[in-house]
Amino acid sequence: DAKTTQPNSMESNEEEPVHLPCNHSTISGTDYIHWYRQLPSQGPEYVIHGLTSNVNNRMASLAIAEDRKSSTLILHRATLRDAAVYYCILLTQGGSEKLVFGKGTKLTVNP
Amino acid sequence: DAGITQSPRHKVTETGTPVTLRCHQTENHRYMYWYRQDPGHGLRLIHYSYGVKDTDKGEVSDGYSVSRSKTEDFLLTLESATSSQTSVYFCAISSQGAPTNEQFFGPGTRLTVL
Repeated sequence: DAKTTQPNSMESNEEEPVHLPCNHSTISGTDYIHWYRQLPSQGPEYVIHGLTSNVNNRMASLAIAEDRKSSTLILHRATLRDAAVYYCILLTQGGSEKLVFGKGTKLTVNP
Repeated sequence: DAGITQSPRHKVTETGTPVTLRCHQTENHRYMYWYRQDPGHGLRLIHYSYGVKDTDKGEVSDGYSVSRSKTEDFLLTLESATSSQTSVYFCAISSQGAPTNEQFFGPGTRLTVL
């Protein structure tokens, strides 16, 4: 499985944008980039996914580099509820069903 | 929120006893998954199902069995619980398989094996 690298932790202030980076330099052409997050004492929650183009949904935006070797999850206005561990995961067409959760980035949101 | 429940939510049991965890969904999704989460290991896939009576192993399947006799229920059984199976267990569901699927997770079951 292609690997992802994320910073261990990041900090933000409430109502400011947050850019969470993910490096995946060994990504293949059939790898989809998924983001999940896990709030304290809860199960993981799907955030967004994409293949090549930038994606937007009600929770966040996903910006994918042109060479696809990195991506950025963008939370446009952080709230206290966004404090969580964010996971960047690659899934391959025809590959395993499993989501491989690495250590992720722990996001702290300051009031 | 996706209609997915897990029971029990908490269980304490003794080594050597059988334990069954239940995952129930009301979404009619085809795929169902069992993960365990432990400090230092993140989430790891135990087993998954891609339809009624169709199941496959994940990366940590030893000591676990599963059954899916109905679309809505996916059971995880520990035939003879051991202390190493103390963990938080999450069930997830998905309408499609990888790689385009989004998985919806249940609230988790905290299992303690003494």
